[in-house]
Amino acid sequence: EAQVTQNPRYLITVTGKKLTVTCSQNMNHEYMSWYRQDPGLGLRQIYYSMNVEVTDKGDVPEGYKVSRKEKRNFPLILESPSPNQTSLYFCASSLSRQGDNTEAFFGQGTRLTVV
Amino acid sequence: GENVEQHPSTLSVQEGDSAVIKCTYSDSASNYFPWYKQELGKRPQLIIDIRSNVGEKKDQRIAVTLNKTAKHFSLHITETQPEDSAVYFCAATTFLGSNYQLIWGAGTKLIIKP
Repeated sequence: EAQVTQNPRYLITVTGKKLTVTCSQNMNHEYMSWYRQDPGLGLRQIYYSMNVEVTDKGDVPEGYKVSRKEKRNFPLILESPSPNQTSLYFCASSLSRQGDNTEAFFGQGTRLTVV
Repeated sequence: GENVEQHPSTLSVQEGDSAVIKCTYSDSASNYFPWYKQELGKRPQLIIDIRSNVGEKKDQRIAVTLNKTAKHFSLHITETQPEDSAVYFCAATTFLGSNYQLIWGAGTKLIIKP
């Protein structure tokens, strides 16, 4: 089954304690991205990756890091989480070439609370 | 770069009535326009999409129209039902070289009143 898998689904952590949210897709997609979703603010892109070893900042990258060492995985790293990073996070993947089926597939979401 | 604006931010309609959500985009090179539905506590999922060589597409009670000249596209839901209550996002493609990415609208919360 084609899917994007995020872990964990829920996480409560303390300020300053490094954490990683994993994202994996099994569709051989080149394009992967991370979004955060806050009430009334829609989907805001944090980072995206066009392919292995290629990553770029989105609209709200401050306080986050990503890596793309393999095509299927795109972890989101918070080196020193702060309460303003409390949010619902989504990973998504899609093909990125023109003319292909360009549907974006989302992971189940990770609800992060930083206290 | 691409900018996508979506209106309204909240839409409340009586069950059985129609709902229309509108989006405008800025990049004339955009050629793919999907709509996603996000139910409460769930992930966004594609419900319908349209490419720039088509003016309208229908799938049962939902339809999307595209006006390339005016750079806007709309989602139409007819005979609304309680299960249509959700947040809807539009998106449009923007291109970086030969690769593309989606730029998202801010979302519309659709409330179906019984």
